[in-house]
Amino acid sequence: AQSVTQLGSHVSVSEGALVLLRCNYSSSVPPYLFWYVQYPNQGLQLLLKYTSAATLVKGINGFEAEFKKSETSFHLTKPSAHMSDAAEYFCAVSDQADSGGGADGLTFGKGTHLIIQP
Amino acid sequence: GAVVSQHPSRVICKSGTSVKIECRSLDFQATTMFWYRQFPKKSLMLMATSNEGSKATYEQGVEKDKFLINHASLTLSTLTVTSAHPEDSSFYICLVPGAGYGYTFGSGTRLTVV
Repeated sequence: AQSVTQLGSHVSVSEGALVLLRCNYSSSVPPYLFWYVQYPNQGLQLLLKYTSAATLVKGINGFEAEFKKSETSFHLTKPSAHMSDAAEYFCAVSDQADSGGGADGLTFGKGTHLIIQP
Repeated sequence: GAVVSQHPSRVICKSGTSVKIECRSLDFQATTMFWYRQFPKKSLMLMATSNEGSKATYEQGVEKDKFLINHASLTLSTLTVTSAHPEDSSFYICLVPGAGYGYTFGSGTRLTVV
């Protein structure tokens, strides 16, 4: 069974400061990992994904994440926070290959609410 | 990832009535789609896997007679909340697995049962 742990339900950083959102996973097979962002009253938007290619993954809006197998982690970072980054962030894992059908759903962490202080 | 359309975005219904939510994959033929429920300030809970041409697979604790899922075609899955009650009020989101692990969410449906 797979699982995801996001450390810190709330993270507060100052505008311009480094953003670090933590995600650790548990999976019996090589995982595929995702970060999603959710703005209030909206659906979820994919930020980036790791699918066994490069371990450092760059996503949209200046975010990136690094897959570290030894630490079973996939932490999300951004060098300089903007006010518009305030949102809920979800880490997710899937350990099934997409064969074009019959893919598994994603297992999500509980989310981290990112607060940006002016 | 796939381009996904979900509607309605918001619906208010009376207790005891049924509500249908549609999820369409506009550019990808999806044999599988997923339905999630998101409680206020909570993470997403997988409710069921919608399978084209066969019965949906429900997660433990999800009432299949309450949440009817129909995967009518490779581009459409529907979730019907039957005999809705206030405790069914929630945010329901579909997820479509596209090519290249491009999992794409629908925009979600805010259901309020009064």
